[in-house]
Amino acid sequence: AAGVIQSPRHLIKEKRETATLKCYPIPRHDTVYWYQQGPGQDPQFLISFYEKMQSDKGSIPDRFSAQQFSDYHSELNMSSLELGDSALYFCASSFKLEETQYFGPGTRLLVL
Amino acid sequence: KQEVTQIPAALSVPEGENLVLNCSFTDSAIYNLQWFRQDPGKGLTSLLLIQSSQREQTSGRLNASLDKSSGRSTLYIAASQPGDSATYLCAPGDSGNTPLVFGKGTRLSVIA
Repeated sequence: AAGVIQSPRHLIKEKRETATLKCYPIPRHDTVYWYQQGPGQDPQFLISFYEKMQSDKGSIPDRFSAQQFSDYHSELNMSSLELGDSALYFCASSFKLEETQYFGPGTRLLVL
Repeated sequence: KQEVTQIPAALSVPEGENLVLNCSFTDSAIYNLQWFRQDPGKGLTSLLLIQSSQREQTSGRLNASLDKSSGRSTLYIAASQPGDSATYLCAPGDSGNTPLVFGKGTRLSVIA
C-alpha cells in the first residue's frame, strides 16, 4: 500500500540558509500535518492543511511557512535556519472520514 | 491545553513477558486516541486508534484500552519479543483530523 512520501530524507544546511521539505500524502488523503521532533523529544505539531487551506497552526516559527498544493502535496519552507532547527520533520496525512494519521519516514535536518 | 504523560519512561523486560504501558491525559474531552511505535531515528507507525466511544481495540498481540472519563489509556503487549523493542507513544486527538498531542513515550527493550 502507498505510504506518505517525504523528500529529502536527509538535509544538511548552514545557519541562515533556507530549506524546503516536501510531503506527498497517501492518495485520496485530504489533510496534511507537519510535526517537528527534536533530539530526545516528542513530536510537536507545526501546521496542518485540509483541502489546500490551513486548518490548524501550532508552534511554527514565523521563519517557517507552508502550503498545500492542488495535487495535495505540501511543502514546508524554512528560512534563516538556526542550530535549534535541527530535528526530524514528519509529515502525516489523513482522510477526513477515517481520522487515523499516517506518518511519513521523516526528513532529518541538520543545521551547522 | 492537553498534556500527556506516559509511564514508565523506560522499561526493560525478558522475552515472553506480558507488559502494560500507561498513558494519561489531562483533557478527557477527546475524540480518539492513537498509539504509535517509533524505532530509533525512524518514523512513527500507527498501531491502534481507539474512538472515544470505544473501550478497547485489539491488533494481534496488542490490546489498547481507553477510559476517557479518567483520562487514561493502556497498551497491553502479550508475549513480548525482541522485535517489540522501540519507543511507544500515545496521542489523544481533540476531534477528527486535528493535530495530535504526544506523550514523551515509553522506551521498551525486550531482552532475548
